[in-house]
Amino acid sequence: ILNVEQSPQSLHVQEGDSTNFTCSFPSSNFYALHWYRWETAKSPEALFVMTLNGDEKKKGRISATLNTKEGYSYLYIKGSQPEDSATYLCAFLYNNNDMRFGAGTRLTVKP
Amino acid sequence: DGGITQSPKYLFRKEGQNVTLSCEQNLNHDAMYWYRQDPGQGLRLIYYSQIVNDFQKGDIAEGYSVSREKKESFPLTVTSAQKNPTAFYLCASRRDRGSATEAFFGQGTRLTVV
Repeated sequence: ILNVEQSPQSLHVQEGDSTNFTCSFPSSNFYALHWYRWETAKSPEALFVMTLNGDEKKKGRISATLNTKEGYSYLYIKGSQPEDSATYLCAFLYNNNDMRFGAGTRLTVKP
Repeated sequence: DGGITQSPKYLFRKEGQNVTLSCEQNLNHDAMYWYRQDPGQGLRLIYYSQIVNDFQKGDIAEGYSVSREKKESFPLTVTSAQKNPTAFYLCASRRDRGSATEAFFGQGTRLTVV
């Protein structure tokens, strides 16, 4: 079983705080790393697709980095807003199509 | 509008009965997936398919079966051999043109076996 681990499991922050989560994955046979955002009662939606060691991606206040050699990725949210409250999932692809998810980090942003 | 449709949203079955969950996509995606989520846990891979008439087992395939007779459709059958079938089931698809393609998801089916 491929182990994809996310930490922390849950996080409560105040509006305006910046926060970050970690996704750890096997460092061998890396193909791609995805980040998804999953809001309650909706379907997960892609945030980032990352393929190269050292990749950095940014979308508004959210950014992500990738280290394939040591097997981790960080997701950062700057100035959290209540609408950022969701579960953030990472998915590890070790060939083109085998896609395994971590358990997710549940973020709650309090106004 | 293109997307993935799972039906039904809620499903109740008696113990010992087989049940089939539907997943249809009109995105022309090659790869399709089935995941299971239990309370407080993440998405665990049941099966995935890269092309028509081909599928691979994930971590928890025991007690499940799939078919991929058409590119658009990837139904999942929960058999009576699945010991604890009550869960949330999520279907996804991806375009198979290299790794830089994100997955798209259905709305999920919540199966309750009584």
